Amino acid sequence: GAVVSQHPSRVICKSGTSVKIECRSLDFQATTMFWYRQFPKQSLMLMATSNEGSKATYEQGVEKDKFLINHASLTLSTLTVTSAHPEDSSFYICSARESSTGINQPQHFGDGTRLSIL
Amino acid sequence: GENVEQHPSTLSVQEGDSAVIKCTYSDSASNYFPWYKQELGKRPQLIIDIRSNVGEKKDQRIAVTLNKTAKHFSLHITETQPEDSAVYFCAARGGANNLFFGTGTRLTVIP
Repeated sequence: GAVVSQHPSRVICKSGTSVKIECRSLDFQATTMFWYRQFPKQSLMLMATSNEGSKATYEQGVEKDKFLINHASLTLSTLTVTSAHPEDSSFYICSARESSTGINQPQHFGDGTRLSIL
Repeated sequence: GENVEQHPSTLSVQEGDSAVIKCTYSDSASNYFPWYKQELGKRPQLIIDIRSNVGEKKDQRIAVTLNKTAKHFSLHITETQPEDSAVYFCAARGGANNLFFGTGTRLTVIP
């Protein structure tokens, strides 16, 4: 089945550090990838939609200068949390949707990155 | 935008019993409804999905029903097993083409 690889799985760093998270679709092409944030015992909150070759689309309330997204190829999207602060600590999960023709292709998730800012 | 509501938030059943989780959505343009299972600290895993052109889909012990008129869909797990214990999320893909998730149901299957 479709596999989405995300790394690192865990990051612990000091406040003010920028952190880069990679999301790769391993066996399929994904023109669209999604970045979610999940707080403990809560649902997945869509942060932004990453489109290959174009600018990401951010959800309301998500700072695009804070969460930089780059989707440089059909298999790779990156999320950079710039100048991270403790309130940015969370579980970040990427997701990719298969690009094959037809509507409503399944969406698969990476393993997530637990970010802890000290 | 789409608004997905899910209930119950927690559900405990005895092993072997059935579990039902219900979701409603607001965007009549939504046409794809997946269900995900998430174990603690792990990725959400797609367990079943249904498209708007069908009313029911079944895969072994798991089934999903969709009522487009009422804008609700449900997950049914029969013959539950302890390994079914997890958090289950419903989702709907609407006109914006993004997945919107319900708030999750923590299912506990008691051996």
